[in-house]
Amino acid sequence: DTGVSQDPRHKITKRGQNVTFRCDPISEHNRLYWYRQTLGQGPEFLTYFQNEAQLEKSRLLSDRFSAERPKGSFSTLEIQRTEQGDSAMYLCASSLGDYSNQPQHFGDGTRLSIL
Amino acid sequence: GDSVTQMEGPVTLSEEAFLTINCTYTATGYPSLFWYVQYPGEGLQLLLKATKADDKGSNKGFEATYRKETTSFHLEKGSVQVSDSAVYFCAQNTGNQFYFGTGTSLTVIP
Repeated sequence: DTGVSQDPRHKITKRGQNVTFRCDPISEHNRLYWYRQTLGQGPEFLTYFQNEAQLEKSRLLSDRFSAERPKGSFSTLEIQRTEQGDSAMYLCASSLGDYSNQPQHFGDGTRLSIL
Repeated sequence: GDSVTQMEGPVTLSEEAFLTINCTYTATGYPSLFWYVQYPGEGLQLLLKATKADDKGSNKGFEATYRKETTSFHLEKGSVQVSDSAVYFCAQNTGNQFYFGTGTSLTVIP
């Protein structure tokens, strides 16, 4: 069971720099989600892909954030011109099937720290 | 808008005690409801789910019933174990978006 893999586990960068995170979902899963989680809070939905199509984005998602899933397999999340408030754990999850109520499998997350 | 409100923690119980963690939701449609658990040092994993009113989800001795009339999905377990110590998240989905509660930390002491 390979599970959902995220890379890197930790990222420390200076304010204003760009960062990119990668998520490898479970291989046969067609749905992929990105979330952000801050200390003491639950995961906050950012965006969702079905295969390679990005079907939904949170209104909270700044235009500095962009996500891709070019071949319907792995996905990347890029944050441009990082700000202090971007410090958080970024979680990726994947699921299988045509319905959104299927269980999501989460990765261990990428922890971003902005200096 | 759509949201989930769950009981604040932390919760500390003795082994074999009864557990209830309250969860209520606000939704414009007919959501599916979930409980996720995060054990120390691990990622979130699904504990149980219910997809329509009056459904009961159950797993590992935990249960939760989808109550449409009270918009609730409270998590219960009759006898907790030390190994149940974790953070529990209630969640709902409407359409393709998922909404999570803030999490409730549970510590079970021997």
